[in-house]
Amino acid sequence: EAGVAQSPRYKIIEKRQSVAFWCNPISGHATLYWYQQILGQGPKLLIQFQNNGVVDDSQLPKDRFSAERLKGVDSTLKIQPAKLEDSAVYLCASSLRRGFGAFFGQGTRLTVV
Amino acid sequence: DQQVKQNSPSLSVQEGRISILNCDYTNSMFDYFLWYKKYPAEGPTFLISISSIKDKNEDGRFTVFLNKSAKHLSLHIVPSQPGDSAVYFCAAINTDKLIFGTGTRLQVFP
Repeated sequence: EAGVAQSPRYKIIEKRQSVAFWCNPISGHATLYWYQQILGQGPKLLIQFQNNGVVDDSQLPKDRFSAERLKGVDSTLKIQPAKLEDSAVYLCASSLRRGFGAFFGQGTRLTVV
Repeated sequence: DQQVKQNSPSLSVQEGRISILNCDYTNSMFDYFLWYKKYPAEGPTFLISISSIKDKNEDGRFTVFLNKSAKHLSLHIVPSQPGDSAVYFCAAINTDKLIFGTGTRLQVFP
């Protein structure tokens, strides 16, 4: 069974530029999460989808971050414009349904300079 | 508001001995708890879980204990192996939210 796929693995951008991350969850997993993990901290939930609907985006900085999950499968997370403090690993995870443990992708390490 | 806390940022254990990683939580509505292991440059991988209606779950060298009255859970690894060296995250589920602790870096030395 294929795992959660994320791309790119690494990205370096200048502040005020925009960036997008892509995630393909495990086939059949209805729930998809985007987490931000800053060095030395635990993963922080940014947004959670159930199929193509948003369940929780309370910690998503909506003035600069956006995410979508078209057709309830793949998802993209965008940052525009990026700030220095956005430097982190962005993790995508999926689970079979709400309330289950999630499986993670390898993450995208973003460096904003 | 840190609902899931791992107060020890690091732990060093000799190979063959027991590793005990601790986690405290504040929300009594959590109904499922999980431990994840993370190597550098990789995403967290699921290790073991426990339902809130149980107090122990064992899988090979890994055992998770849950003390609901103390709002505390722990992960025991015995015997510890060098390959266990990683960052361990405690996580909890409330309805449909998966919330992580800050992690404990375990180092197992020969």
